[in-house]
Amino acid sequence: RKEVEQDPGPFNVPEGATVAFNCTYSNSASQSFFWYRQDCRKEPKLLMSVYSSGNEDGRFTAQLNRASQYISLLIRDSKLSDSATYLCVVNKGDRGQNFVFGPGTRLSVLP
Amino acid sequence: DGGITQSPKYLFRKEGQNVTLSCEQNLNHDAMYWYRQDPGQGLRLIYYSQIVNDFQKGDIAEGYSVSREKKESFPLTVTSAQKNPTAFYLCASKRYSSGGQETQYFGPGTRLLVL
Repeated sequence: RKEVEQDPGPFNVPEGATVAFNCTYSNSASQSFFWYRQDCRKEPKLLMSVYSSGNEDGRFTAQLNRASQYISLLIRDSKLSDSATYLCVVNKGDRGQNFVFGPGTRLSVLP
Repeated sequence: DGGITQSPKYLFRKEGQNVTLSCEQNLNHDAMYWYRQDPGQGLRLIYYSQIVNDFQKGDIAEGYSVSREKKESFPLTVTSAQKNPTAFYLCASKRYSSGGQETQYFGPGTRLLVL
C-alpha cells in the first residue's frame, strides 16, 4: 500500500460546481497535512495546511479525520483558474525525510 | 524578493555527461530538498539536507550527488550513472512556523532532457 493515496482522477467539472478530493495516508504517526496545487509544468505551491478542526480559506475547505487517516479538500463554486493538479502531502514527523507526496488528482474546470 | 531560485530552467545532457542543477534560497531555511517528478507521477525524494555540511540520501539517490557548503545553496549533480535522468527536478526548502508546523516551499524547477 502506498503511503499517501489520492483519487485517481481526472475530474472534469463545469464552472460553478463543487468538487471534493480525497486522500488517505498509512502512517498513523503522521503529524501534519497539506494540500498543494501544481499547474502544468510548474512547481507545487502550498494551497493550505490541514488542521484537526478543519479549516476554510474562501472557497476551499480542508478536513482531517485522524481516526480514519483521511484528508479531504472541497472546492466550492469552481473557477476556470482552479484547473490544476492537487497534491496531498503528509508530514510523517520523522526528522528530515518526512514529507510524503501523493500522486495528485487532476482537476479540469470547463466553461 | 525572498524565494527559491533554480537554474537553468531547461538543461540538456549528452550521454556520459555529468550536469549540475543549481538551487539557491534566501529564506534562511535550514533544510533543503531535491525531488524528481516524472510525467503523471508524484514527487520522489532524491537527497535532503537539514544543516550545512550534512545531507542524507532519499528514496532514489543512485546516480545523483549533492553538496551543502552554504546554507543558501544545495546543488544537485546528475552523474552519468543515472541512466534515465529525463525528468522535472524540483528543489524545496523548509521553514518552521510559530506553531511548530513545518512547511515546504518549492523553486520553479529544472527540466532535464537527454540528447
